[in-house]
Amino acid sequence: DSGVTQTPKHLITATGQRVTLRCSPRSGDLSVYWYQQSLDQGLQFLIQYYNGEERAKGNILERFSAQQFPDLHSELNLSSLELGDSALYFCASSVAPNAKLFFGSGTQLSVL
Amino acid sequence: DAKTTQPNSMESNEEEPVHLPCNHSTISGTDYIHWYRQLPSQGPEYVIHGLTSNVNNRMASLAIAEDRKSSTLILHRATLRDAAVYYCILEGYGGATNKLIFGTGTLLAVQP
Repeated sequence: DSGVTQTPKHLITATGQRVTLRCSPRSGDLSVYWYQQSLDQGLQFLIQYYNGEERAKGNILERFSAQQFPDLHSELNLSSLELGDSALYFCASSVAPNAKLFFGSGTQLSVL
Repeated sequence: DAKTTQPNSMESNEEEPVHLPCNHSTISGTDYIHWYRQLPSQGPEYVIHGLTSNVNNRMASLAIAEDRKSSTLILHRATLRDAAVYYCILEGYGGATNKLIFGTGTLLAVQP
């Protein structure tokens, strides 16, 4: 158990819908990261937050947004969902922006 | 971002040492070499990282070439639990961001 909690574990929805994925980092970790893993794209870095502020951005679509709240948990919002958004979404946390990452077990999103 | 090259797959026998190579000929002076692994149906987990000198921890050893253009992750005695995808990643350390970019990695199969 990495100490990073992601909910829900599975999510099934339809095209055009909007969903929110939630991540609770390890106790004491200030930095949160979101990754998307699909069969054809591998693990893709989406975005990083540190203590509530956005620190780095990767290949995150405009339809996706994220934030980190004062209690340090983070949410990833995916809107206008398409079939191609079906993937495993991982959250990771670290104590500092440059420290090793601890990953959660992921949220499996299926868009039908 | 500097790139790494790893073999797509490798095979090992249980209780034998495994040497997983990684080439990174465009590595910069501030890039650390990170290794993560992803077991089936789990999020990635940190294995080891280093800059110039060889590194050891309870999971593995990291041997870094003198010119830093290649490195090798060494599992001293492979177990069935070590079957996973191993990722070699370059990233600066000590900076304000930690945008670990995962490649395709090496799929390690361990035979009993």
